[in-house]
Amino acid sequence: EAQVTQNPRYLITVTGKKLTVTCSQNMNHEYMSWYRQDPGLGLRQIYYSMNVEVTDKGDVPEGYKVSRKEKRNFPLILESPSPNQTSLYFCASSPAQGPKTQYFGPGTRLLVL
Amino acid sequence: DQQVKQNSPSLSVQEGRISILNCDYTNSMFDYFLWYKKYPAEGPTFLISISSIKDKNEDGRFTVFLNKSAKHLSLHIVPSQPGDSAVYFCAATVWIQGAQKLVFGQGTRLTINP
Repeated sequence: EAQVTQNPRYLITVTGKKLTVTCSQNMNHEYMSWYRQDPGLGLRQIYYSMNVEVTDKGDVPEGYKVSRKEKRNFPLILESPSPNQTSLYFCASSPAQGPKTQYFGPGTRLLVL
Repeated sequence: DQQVKQNSPSLSVQEGRISILNCDYTNSMFDYFLWYKKYPAEGPTFLISISSIKDKNEDGRFTVFLNKSAKHLSLHIVPSQPGDSAVYFCAATVWIQGAQKLVFGQGTRLTINP
């Protein structure tokens, strides 16, 4: 089944404790992206990657890192999480060189205490 | 600066009637508009889109209308069904410095009442 998977789905952590949210797609898509969803703000792009080893900042990249060593994986790293990073995170991938036809993962709900 | 705005956080419609979800935008450089549907505990799924050079696109019960002069987009669902209850996001694409960006609205929660 074609899909985007994220792990973990739920995570509670404390301020400053490094964490990684994994994202994997099995559709051989070149474009991958991370979003956060917050009440009243919709989805905002954190980082995106147009291909392996090519990543770029989205609208809200502060406090996040990403890497794209393989085509299928695009992990999101929070080196020192803070409470304002409490959010619902979505990974997405697209067969095109852009976000127009994105497939989204199921989401990761993160709570930073 | 919210470039894509959905001013109604929620909408309640009776089953069988028409649901109309609205979206306004400010950036005249947007070239493609999309609607996504999101159920609880799931990621958004693509529903329907329209190019900026068109004013209407229809797919079954779903029709999207684009009024470029008013910078307004709407999604019509006819007839509305209970399974349409979800959060709907309007989104638009724009090219910035060689990369295509997708800008989302805040979302509208649609509830279809039996």
